[in-house]
Amino acid sequence: GAGVSQTPSNKVTEKGKYVELRCDPISGHTALYWYRQSLGQGPEFLIYFQGTGAADDSGLPNDRFFAVRPEGSVSTLKIQRTERGDSAVYLCASSLVSGPSSYNEQFFGPGTRLTVL
Amino acid sequence: GNSVTQMEGPVTLSEEAFLTINCTYTATGYPSLFWYVQYPGEGLQLLLKATKADDKGSNKGFEATYRKETTSFHLEKGSVQVSDSAVYFCALSDQTGANNLFFGTGTRLTVIP
Repeated sequence: GAGVSQTPSNKVTEKGKYVELRCDPISGHTALYWYRQSLGQGPEFLIYFQGTGAADDSGLPNDRFFAVRPEGSVSTLKIQRTERGDSAVYLCASSLVSGPSSYNEQFFGPGTRLTVL
Repeated sequence: GNSVTQMEGPVTLSEEAFLTINCTYTATGYPSLFWYVQYPGEGLQLLLKATKADDKGSNKGFEATYRKETTSFHLEKGSVQVSDSAVYFCALSDQTGANNLFFGTGTRLTVIP
């Protein structure tokens, strides 16, 4: 079956602009995660959804970042007033369930490379 | 808090050499430990995992043992191949709430023929 997909694969924008990044999780996966990977670093957690609700958004760096998952499937990460420091690869992952379980393996998408000029 | 410290790279080995990539962690509670791999041009893939102390995760000839006494989860492979060239990430999950992953900085491995 299809894996996690993310669009666009690359996004170049100008400082101050608004961007949306989309994630299509594996069908039937209830948990969805967003991570950000800066150059030379490991991914850092941003936000986690269980179903439609953001169960943990403690990793969002500031209020310019927001994410939604209105129907419990596709999620959109929204960044307002982009800054050069937002340039990174944004990764999405999904898992069948969350929490301590044999079914909580996270499957990652290929990422969206965001460049803010 | 939760954190992972990973051996810095890059690492360059000849084919059939022995590989060790060190990983130590700090965690609250009883974390699960993971190694993820990112091949050139591809997304992160789970390589192996261990969910409790003394467990050994293994896959594709790679192994790592969950050592609670030394808070370590070192990755090893007895004989690397050119196709193992990739970036390797050690990660932990504290198995509570969101179950989100905490990653190390990654180690780039290049295997030369």
